[in-house]
Amino acid sequence: RKEVEQDPGPFNVPEGATVAFNCTYSNSASQSFFWYRQDCRKEPKLLMSVYSSGNEDGRFTAQLNRASQYISLLIRDSKLSDSATYLCVVNKRQLTFGSGTQLTVLP
Amino acid sequence: DAGVIQSPRHEVTEMGQEVTLRCKPISGHDYLFWYRQTMMRGLELLIYFNNNVPIDDSGMPEDRFSAKMPNASFSTLKIQPSEPRDSAVYFCASSPDGNYGYTFGSGTRLTVV
Repeated sequence: RKEVEQDPGPFNVPEGATVAFNCTYSNSASQSFFWYRQDCRKEPKLLMSVYSSGNEDGRFTAQLNRASQYISLLIRDSKLSDSATYLCVVNKRQLTFGSGTQLTVLP
Repeated sequence: DAGVIQSPRHEVTEMGQEVTLRCKPISGHDYLFWYRQTMMRGLELLIYFNNNVPIDDSGMPEDRFSAKMPNASFSTLKIQPSEPRDSAVYFCASSPDGNYGYTFGSGTRLTVV
């Protein structure tokens, strides 16, 4: 079983749509959690950290459920520029990446 | 800050040749990580250093791979001899504390023919 599992997609949504990504992790000792964004042929970049209380950054909302070992990312009012691969990441001494969920926002 | 700097950006080499990838981390970052990304396996951690000391190299695929960090501002990942299955994008990342603030370099796209 992979340490971090994500639905690979692809998700194709129209502009303005709300889209949700989910992720599960296997190591209950994981200490910190993140969503990274990776554009085609580019390096991963931190989108946001994820906290148990839930956190929001503009159109992006992240949630963590430690009991279920489940992480989510919600994107509201999606833009064309949101098209990318979204990587779920957990940290226990070093970052472990999910395989990513590909999102394409269509005009 | 210029960020994490990797070189070369692209490398095409013949099977059996030695390949050396280079990384300059962000100044003041105590942790340096080497990752490999392929379509089949995604992003995999190969090795990481703390204060120039290798801490965990369990992700290094085999003895053909070696990594060094002779000082705080430079690291190399060497493959000798290279094989076609080593073709991938190799990323270097650095972090001030190993928990947060990971910054990735632009990667080296390696093709072994």
